[in-house]
Amino acid sequence: GENVEQHPSTLSVQEGDSAVIKCTYSDSASNYFPWYKQELGKGPQLIIDIRSNVGEKKDQRIAVTLNKTAKHFSLHITETQPEDSAVYFCAASISPNDYKLSFGAGTTVTVRA
Amino acid sequence: SAVISQKPSRDICQRGTSLTIQCQVDSQVTMMFWYRQQPGQSLTLIATANQGSEATYESGFVIDKFPISRPNLTFSTLTVSNMSPEDSSIYLCSVEGGQETQYFGPGTRLLVL
Repeated sequence: GENVEQHPSTLSVQEGDSAVIKCTYSDSASNYFPWYKQELGKGPQLIIDIRSNVGEKKDQRIAVTLNKTAKHFSLHITETQPEDSAVYFCAASISPNDYKLSFGAGTTVTVRA
Repeated sequence: SAVISQKPSRDICQRGTSLTIQCQVDSQVTMMFWYRQQPGQSLTLIATANQGSEATYESGFVIDKFPISRPNLTFSTLTVSNMSPEDSSIYLCSVEGGQETQYFGPGTRLLVL
């Protein structure tokens, strides 16, 4: 099955700086890569996703890049704010039919004011 | 995105007992999923629940321990049976949102004593 590795496990940044989280996947057939943000006491929230036919996608302060050749994708958060503090999970899906996702281990992001 | 609610939001249970968790979504969906998130860990898929068919369980999860019902297109239940302290986790339901996306509920935080 698909194996997703996520780094770093923790990330502390100064408010206003950028944060980058990287994930690698094992199955070259993977075609859908979502990112989730989980705040304390809440369920994961889908914040951005990218498909294998696209190399980059942006939504305001967040962006995701995908390198299919190297089998890795990254989340970039610019101009970080205290409300960006959360656990972020990457995931990969290899099948468009059963919606199954393999999740990374998570990155705890702390934005220092 | 769909609005998903779970009941109970949290519970403390005695070992050997069972707890049924409810998941309600505000629109009709074909696929619903149940995940387990152990303390400080990532998300692990327990099973996929499609209306009108038996749930499909992932490796390591069995129907006797985690029976699932899916009586209609907006509702599902997960029962955690004969609980032990190792079952202490967050249990999350999610729904398919089209184009491979998944949206998660707020989770049920279970502590087994």
